[in-house]
Amino acid sequence: DTGVSQNPRHKITKRGQNVTFRCDPISEHNRLYWYRQTLGQGPEFLTYFQNEAQLEKSRLLSDRFSAERPKGSFSTLEIQRTEQGDSAMYLCASSLIDRAYEQYFGPGTRLTVT
Amino acid sequence: RKEVEQDPGPFNVPEGATVAFNCTYSNSASQSFFWYRQDCRKEPKLLMSVYSSGNEDGRFTAQLNRASQYISLLIRDSKLSDSATYLCVVNRDSGGSNYKLTFGKGTLLTVNP
Repeated sequence: DTGVSQNPRHKITKRGQNVTFRCDPISEHNRLYWYRQTLGQGPEFLTYFQNEAQLEKSRLLSDRFSAERPKGSFSTLEIQRTEQGDSAMYLCASSLIDRAYEQYFGPGTRLTVT
Repeated sequence: RKEVEQDPGPFNVPEGATVAFNCTYSNSASQSFFWYRQDCRKEPKLLMSVYSSGNEDGRFTAQLNRASQYISLLIRDSKLSDSATYLCVVNRDSGGSNYKLTFGKGTLLTVNP
């Protein structure tokens, strides 16, 4: 399967714990995006990378959140000291630079903070 | 005011019906527009772009009215497989970087047999 993959698919954690999610984009895609989606809402932009450079972060991304894309391939999103309000689906997407409107999404990681 | 607002739905229609979804956007600087589709418990997927002149893809027709900041999607002869959430998406180009999609909440469509 050459689509976007995300791991884990589900994560249940206790409040205050740290969690890390991984995203593997489509191999030829230079851009990688992270979104968060809660029930009944559309995806909300969190951050994006062009190759290994993180070019934009949303105000939604508090200082407890950090994302990396160290070699311009896979990316990780870490949430420190999780809160119940962090419970959501975290979606990763990738695209080519010149077709950035056509973003291919992964299946998401569903985070539940208890 | 939210940047992208959609019909709240849900829409329940019989097979073969024609259904229309409406969307408005608040930022007049928005440059490009799309409809994405999201099946239940699945990831969003690009359905079609929306062009100023209007465009059609089979049973789907998208329209854009820049003056009114309004976007629509029309589905004709709806099929059971059209059941999904339809997301109105707006992109505000920023220095040509074309990177940030803003999604509406989505409108749920259920097509009934």
